[in-house]
Amino acid sequence: DQQVKQNSPSLSVQEGRISILNCDYTNSMFDYFLWYKKYPAEGPTFLISISSIKDKNEDGRFTVFLNKSAKHLSLHIVPSQPGDSAVYFCAASAYEGSSNTGKLIFGQGTTLQVKP
Amino acid sequence: KAGVTQTPRYLIKTRGQQVTLSCSPISGHRSVSWYQQTPGQGLQFLFEYFSETQRNKGNFPGRFSGRQFSNSRSEMNVSTLELGDSALYLCASSLGQGFGYTFGSGTRLTVV
Repeated sequence: DQQVKQNSPSLSVQEGRISILNCDYTNSMFDYFLWYKKYPAEGPTFLISISSIKDKNEDGRFTVFLNKSAKHLSLHIVPSQPGDSAVYFCAASAYEGSSNTGKLIFGQGTTLQVKP
Repeated sequence: KAGVTQTPRYLIKTRGQQVTLSCSPISGHRSVSWYQQTPGQGLQFLFEYFSETQRNKGNFPGRFSGRQFSNSRSEMNVSTLELGDSALYLCASSLGQGFGYTFGSGTRLTVV
């Protein structure tokens, strides 16, 4: 049962353009969503998060949008830089006391390549 | 401030052996969780501890166990190792729900 899905295994964009990474979820109990960037053989690095009470959160070049009715979130990177090339994971967690307390449910990841 | 520290970084074990991995969380973080990353299964949740209590457990066999100490440091143990246990094991710490989870660099376990 894949509760968090990233349907695009890979994405290639030109430097300076916008990168849009998408993520869908099925569990309506999720109330906190995160995006991580990961290089091989390293731990994921936290990028940005959003609470379910918001529909947008911005941090520098990174913006996350949440559409609760569609159970969809997206990460926008503007402008994209070659150093952004990595695997991006979205993750979801649920409120305290739920069966998902304390755990992150990850999508399968999207490999982003930013070409110079 | 120091991040999440995992030791060792690399480990090679033989089938049937057991292994213990260690994780030191960020100071003040009481939640420590463990994840397994494999090419086929992605990042899978193993278990989470908060104030020395296991609050949640993923769908892994009983060979996988863990514990948390009073200083919030955590260990996970895998007994009777199988070839399929070869993976990157990641530890993450957090202040709690609604706060970010910071990951360590991981322990690369190879079972031969």
